[in-house]
Amino acid sequence: AQSVTQLDSQVPVFEEAPVELRCNYSSSVSVYLFWYVQYPNQGLQLLLKYLSGSTLVKGINGFEAEFNKSQTSFHLRKPSVHISDTAEYFCAVSEAETSGSRLTFGEGTQLTVNP
Amino acid sequence: EAGVVQSPRYKIIEKKQPVAFWCNPISGHNTLYWYLQNLGQGPELLIRYENEEAVDDSQLPKDRFSAERLKGVDSTLKIQPAELGDSAVYLCASSFHYEQYFGPGTRLTVT
Repeated sequence: AQSVTQLDSQVPVFEEAPVELRCNYSSSVSVYLFWYVQYPNQGLQLLLKYLSGSTLVKGINGFEAEFNKSQTSFHLRKPSVHISDTAEYFCAVSEAETSGSRLTFGEGTQLTVNP
Repeated sequence: EAGVVQSPRYKIIEKKQPVAFWCNPISGHNTLYWYLQNLGQGPELLIRYENEEAVDDSQLPKDRFSAERLKGVDSTLKIQPAELGDSAVYLCASSFHYEQYFGPGTRLTVT
């Protein structure tokens, strides 16, 4: 079984400031890692994923994340945020090399970008 | 390419009434998922289909929830009877390999 902990439920930042959303996971097997974004009254959109290879992965909208196996973390970063980045962000894991396995999500982090 | 389609987007019913949600996955995606998202929480899996077969339904409350995926394409999730605690967003997703694509969800309000 897997579990995901998002360490901050809310993160307020000013426009053009850098941001980091923290995610730790626990699993007895190898996992794949994902970050999704959810805008109000919409479904989840995939920002980026880590399956294998380079531990630094780049996604859409200028976001990137770094997989740290020793610390079981997958923190999401953006060097300069925009008002439009205001949304709920979810970290998720799935069992590696098992196509179609379920996603286990964290509780979410509400990012609010203020002018 | 069309995304995952869900209907209705919103549904308000009285408790003890039945309700059904419909999902059309992305063409060619063999795996279909139904997730439940309570307010302020991350989604949780209810059921996963590989083609027509339900392969992971351990989280589905089978006393009142049922689902089907006839012909391995569209899927329907039903609740009968609905309870106040069923108020939530019901998300459908589909995948071909490791990436899951989500629909907009159905927001259910039980009064």
